[in-house]
Amino acid sequence: VQLVESGGGLVKPGGSLRLSCAASGFSFSSYSMNWVRQAPGKGLEWVSSISSSSSYIYYADSVKGRFTISRDNAKNSLYLQMNSLRAEDTAVYYCATAKAFDIWGQGTMVTVS
Amino acid sequence: DIVMTQTPLSLSVTPGQPASISCKSSQSLLHSDGQAYLYWYLQKPGQSPQLLIYEVSSRFSGVPDRFSGSGSGTDFTLKISRVEAEDVGVYYCMQGIHLYTFGQGTKLEIK
Repeated sequence: VQLVESGGGLVKPGGSLRLSCAASGFSFSSYSMNWVRQAPGKGLEWVSSISSSSSYIYYADSVKGRFTISRDNAKNSLYLQMNSLRAEDTAVYYCATAKAFDIWGQGTMVTVS
Repeated sequence: DIVMTQTPLSLSVTPGQPASISCKSSQSLLHSDGQAYLYWYLQKPGQSPQLLIYEVSSRFSGVPDRFSGSGSGTDFTLKISRVEAEDVGVYYCMQGIHLYTFGQGTKLEIK
């Protein structure tokens, strides 16, 4: 069971970035998925969740209207489209499985500066 | 929004001694299905968080039995019966009844 995030990097305020999370070793299409972020030296912050069939999608107030979560079950992949990025979005972004956040990826760093 | 408050924010424990972390929620975490959606995670230095306890008291696969969770309603506790050096890191509680919210984290160090 593995999750591998990618797509992080340095972006200017107001810019966009698309994160990906590649899943392997489990039945990806059967589980809801989540994005969690951690600003440098800070705690964990839930960002967004998507149900197994994409029927239900939720966002934290801090990213609502700017971020879009999506998934492609055929490709075993989860995505986070981040628009109108702000300095306060600077963080390591993790994907995690299911309601219990059982499995976490290694994270990908997003720097908005 | 549900606020999760952990205490203490840091603790220093001698190996072999017990440790306890409290997590209080601003609203009851008891769902109408009878389950309480409270989770505990450990983030070891330089690593991603890992699930320790789900639904208040169930240990995740591979988690040593020195870790235990208890509580109900709005008050929850994570206990480590005998702290080992590998238990250092930051412990987080998280509620999952109304979206998700993490506690501030409790940093555990070894004396």
